[in-house]
Amino acid sequence: RKEVEQDPGPFNVPEGATVAFNCTYSNSASQSFFWYRQDCRKEPKLLMSVYSSGNEDGRFTAQLNRASQYISLLIRDSKLSDSATYLCVVTLSGGSYIPTFGRGTSLIVHP
Amino acid sequence: NAGVTQTPKFQVLKTGQSMTLQCAQDMNHEYMSWYRQDPGMGLRLIHYSVGAGITDQGEVPNGYNVSRSTTEDFPLRLLSAAPSQTSVYFCASSSQGTTEAFFGQGTRLTVV
Repeated sequence: RKEVEQDPGPFNVPEGATVAFNCTYSNSASQSFFWYRQDCRKEPKLLMSVYSSGNEDGRFTAQLNRASQYISLLIRDSKLSDSATYLCVVTLSGGSYIPTFGRGTSLIVHP
Repeated sequence: NAGVTQTPKFQVLKTGQSMTLQCAQDMNHEYMSWYRQDPGMGLRLIHYSVGAGITDQGEVPNGYNVSRSTTEDFPLRLLSAAPSQTSVYFCASSSQGTTEAFFGQGTRLTVV
């Protein structure tokens, strides 16, 4: 079983839609959580960190449920430019701080 | 403002050839790592380092060697290239303080 699981999609939504992605992780010792965005043939870039209290950045909201070991990302009012692959990332406690990636969820926003 | 620099961006190798993918960061990060990305597989960890002189294996280490003689550099060596190593390779660095990983632009490697 992969440590970080994501639905690969693709999620195909119209502009203006709200879309949500979930991600589950298997290691309860996981310490830090992130969503990264990857555009086609480019390197991943940090979209936002995920905190236990939940956090929002404009149209993006991330939430963490430690008890159920899942992370979510909500995108409101989708734009064409949101089309990308969204990667769920987890780092373990214990000091290595080396990220473990999910396979990514593909989002396609169409006119 | 270089961040993480990977070279080369593209490479074609013949089966059996060896080569080194270079990775350098100028952010004084302790942690550096190499990933490969294949279609449908996401990023898989090859090797990583938590500081100069310290390296460890990730999920898919076979066929690759690394060393970390300085904080800045973390080269990845392919000892004898195989077609199964055709992939996109990303180097990343991070620190205990920020935990965000910064990536190089990637190396697209084709082994024929």
